[in-house]
Amino acid sequence: DAGVIQSPRHEVTEMGQEVTLRCKPISGHNSLFWYRQTMMRGLELLIYFNNNVPIDDSGMPEDRFSAKMPNASFSTLKIQPSEPRDSAVYFCASRRGLETQYFGPGTRLLVL
Amino acid sequence: AQSVTQPDIHITVSEGASLELRCNYSYGATPYLFWYVQSPGQGLQLLLKYFSGDTLVQGIKGFEAEFKRSQSSFNLRKPSVHWSDAAEYFCAVVARGSQGNLIFGKGTKLSVKP
Repeated sequence: DAGVIQSPRHEVTEMGQEVTLRCKPISGHNSLFWYRQTMMRGLELLIYFNNNVPIDDSGMPEDRFSAKMPNASFSTLKIQPSEPRDSAVYFCASRRGLETQYFGPGTRLLVL
Repeated sequence: AQSVTQPDIHITVSEGASLELRCNYSYGATPYLFWYVQSPGQGLQLLLKYFSGDTLVQGIKGFEAEFKRSQSSFNLRKPSVHWSDAAEYFCAVVARGSQGNLIFGKGTKLSVKP
């Protein structure tokens, strides 16, 4: 099993640029989660999908953030325009049913 | 309010010493309980989980955790720490009857002295 795959692993961009983070969940998992981790706020759930449908996006910081899941094997988290305060590690996780969540290695984002 | 508390931000232990990391929760009903570990620059790996049954749960890497309902606690333990255990440890819960979202504590960073 390849596990949850995230790309890129590292991203450095300038303020105002668009950033797209990608996630491939574990095959057969029907729920997908996006988290953000910062020193100040710890791990925060941004949004999660069930069967490709967004269920709860109350954690999305603002309209600059959007997430999509066009099919069961791919999701994106987009930030447009990016700001320095978006610098964080972004994790994707997936789960089958109500079983354990498995996390990807994360994308380290730095916005200058 | 529902919450997960890890009271220790940073703990340092000597290699070979025992370890206990504390976790307390505040929920109306006992939630599902998890411990995850995050090594530097890595994602989160599940160490163990408790859903029901035996209150002493065995996990990977020699870790165990004990659920104590009376104390609303789920403390993580290891009898002898190895240098490779240096990492950040997160306690997390899923409220029963919820959609299954993990709520994380703030984490405890473990340093291991030679």
